[in-house]
Amino acid sequence: GIQVEQSPPDLILQEGANSTLRCNFSDSVNNLQWFHQNPWGQLINLFYIPSGTKQNGRLSATTVATERYSLLYISSSQTTDSGVYFCAVVGGSQGNLIFGKGTKLSVKP
Amino acid sequence: NAGVTQTPKFQVLKTGQSMTLQCAQDMNHNSMYWYRQDPGMGLRLIYYSASEGTTDKGEVPNGYNVSRLNKREFSLRLESAAPSQTSVYFCASSEALLSNQPQHFGDGTRLSIL
Repeated sequence: GIQVEQSPPDLILQEGANSTLRCNFSDSVNNLQWFHQNPWGQLINLFYIPSGTKQNGRLSATTVATERYSLLYISSSQTTDSGVYFCAVVGGSQGNLIFGKGTKLSVKP
Repeated sequence: NAGVTQTPKFQVLKTGQSMTLQCAQDMNHNSMYWYRQDPGMGLRLIYYSASEGTTDKGEVPNGYNVSRLNKREFSLRLESAAPSQTSVYFCASSEALLSNQPQHFGDGTRLSIL
């Protein structure tokens, strides 16, 4: 089945810094989503982005489907950005999302 | 707009007990899913329902049963809980299976089996 790899696994930032999270996937996909799992365990939809570029405030994402990767950019990071960021894709016949293992982000004040 | 609602939020069970996790969505979605999340990992699919009246196994179905009660509701049942089923359970819905639309998730149910 399709494989999803995220990097880096852990990231520590000082408040105000910028960061780039990467998601590589092993086959063509028709759905790619980025999620933020906050310290309370909630999964927050950030982007639905099977291709192209989207921006939402300090966050933006780019997916290059032909090269099988997606990037999540966080600018001017804040402590509330801390948590785990997941990339997930739909690539199989069941329609379920296949999740990467996540990038754990810690933003220090 | 509530989206996807899961109940309960927390539950502690003893080994061998049974319980049902409830999920309801108000977005008129056709497809619904149950995932589990274990520590340090992403989510894995337990069961899914492509449309009302159908259910199918996912990656990790053993020890679980599901019911698609109607278009809105999709429940997950543990008949005889085991410590290995200690996990966080998420329900999700989407417009249709394999649709080019995002999946929407509930807030999760934290389940501990002693």
